[in-house]
Amino acid sequence: DVVMTQSPLSLPVTLGQPASISCRSSQSLVHSDGNTYLNWFQQRPGQSPRRLIYTVSNWESGVPDRISGSGSGTDFTLKISRVEAEDVAVYYCMQSTHWPFTFGQGTQLEIK
Amino acid sequence: EVQLVESGGDLVQPGGSLRLSCVASGFTFSSHWMNWVRQAPGKGLEWVANIKEDGSEKYYVDSVKGRFTISRDNAKNSLFLQMNSLRVEDTAVYYCVRGSSVWGQGTLVTVSS
Repeated sequence: DVVMTQSPLSLPVTLGQPASISCRSSQSLVHSDGNTYLNWFQQRPGQSPRRLIYTVSNWESGVPDRISGSGSGTDFTLKISRVEAEDVAVYYCMQSTHWPFTFGQGTQLEIK
Repeated sequence: EVQLVESGGDLVQPGGSLRLSCVASGFTFSSHWMNWVRQAPGKGLEWVANIKEDGSEKYYVDSVKGRFTISRDNAKNSLFLQMNSLRVEDTAVYYCVRGSSVWGQGTLVTVSS
């Protein structure tokens, strides 16, 4: 199985400051069709997960552009340019290139 | 409005069985891969199983192979997960997911004696 490793696992951030979460996969996520199926999810307390980013850097509808995804191969990053109170959540990366699809451990973003 | 509504979660003894259902609305159900994802209490997410649009392909995570069966009824816009030989470690909220973009609210399965 592809192992997804996120860091940090806890991320205290001051309001208005940037935040960055790293996600590394144990093997390349480039699919045979040429796409890289790396997704980012946000799970706020008591809610279902919500997809923010798909195929590395594409925004889901309604996601603010201060949240962005980047990376390639085995190294990926989720960035929030200016953290707001509504960003308090657990963030997961997930690969859907190889079965079984696998998630990172999750990163808890909190306000410092 | 695109919506997925799960049901069927319950408290069951180890070794028991349970069938989860998910009813879809607001989109063409038969045009999408469908999935079950679970989350143990206070833990992360685990992809459990998925099924192709016409039901011809199914995939399972190793920990549930031979015990869980995913199925669908496109005429009724419904997805199912038959869970047999349940273990304590199967305790989780089970989410019905369209592709990876649309999630239901989840249904809680508790396996305990």
